Amino acid sequence: AAGVIQSPRHLIKEKRETATLKCYPIPRHDTVYWYQQGPGQDPQFLISFYEKMQSDKGSIPDRFSAQQFSDYHSELNMSSLELGDSALYFCASSLGGYTGELFFGEGSRLTVL
Amino acid sequence: GDSVTQMEGPVTLSEEAFLTINCTYTATGYPSLFWYVQYPGEGLQLLLKATKADDKGSNKGFEATYRKETTSFHLEKGSVQVSDSAVYFCALSVRRNSGGGADGLTFGKGTHLIIQP
Repeated sequence: AAGVIQSPRHLIKEKRETATLKCYPIPRHDTVYWYQQGPGQDPQFLISFYEKMQSDKGSIPDRFSAQQFSDYHSELNMSSLELGDSALYFCASSLGGYTGELFFGEGSRLTVL
Repeated sequence: GDSVTQMEGPVTLSEEAFLTINCTYTATGYPSLFWYVQYPGEGLQLLLKATKADDKGSNKGFEATYRKETTSFHLEKGSVQVSDSAVYFCALSVRRNSGGGADGLTFGKGTHLIIQP
């Protein structure tokens, strides 16, 4: 069965650079969530989209922005990168807005040097 | 705000031992409760869930019962295997957006489970 696809899987950037992560949800899923997981930490909710509109906002820094496109894929844009942004970024998808049951991708590991 | 508290790890057990990982929560409203599992180098996978009080979620020999009176959702398994070694996250979700919308999950800190042969 098709799963959530994230790209790139690994990304290395310098401080103050910009990075973009992409997420392709499970086919027919209309809801996308972004989470940030630091080393040894629990996933922190960043932002979510339902039917291409921002739905819920968590601890997403102002330097980050995200959107969901007409094909339901989503992109997380991170600017002015800081060392503390180094983390595993997970995307998850679900069908029909709130269900509570999320399907996670394998994550994109961002390293900021 | 909403929060989840789960027992600190790592938890180390021998194969075939009985497992309990405690999880308690605070939430406004009536949350749905979940256990997610993360194997090394992988994303999170839903293990089981319960959406209302007294519901019991179960999967792969794991069980958890939604206890509203104690605000708990403890994870149990009668006989663990080496392949159960992973990090387990308790999580909750409270529906805030009526008529649709995607409310994020609130996770606990995770419990690293190590099963020795």
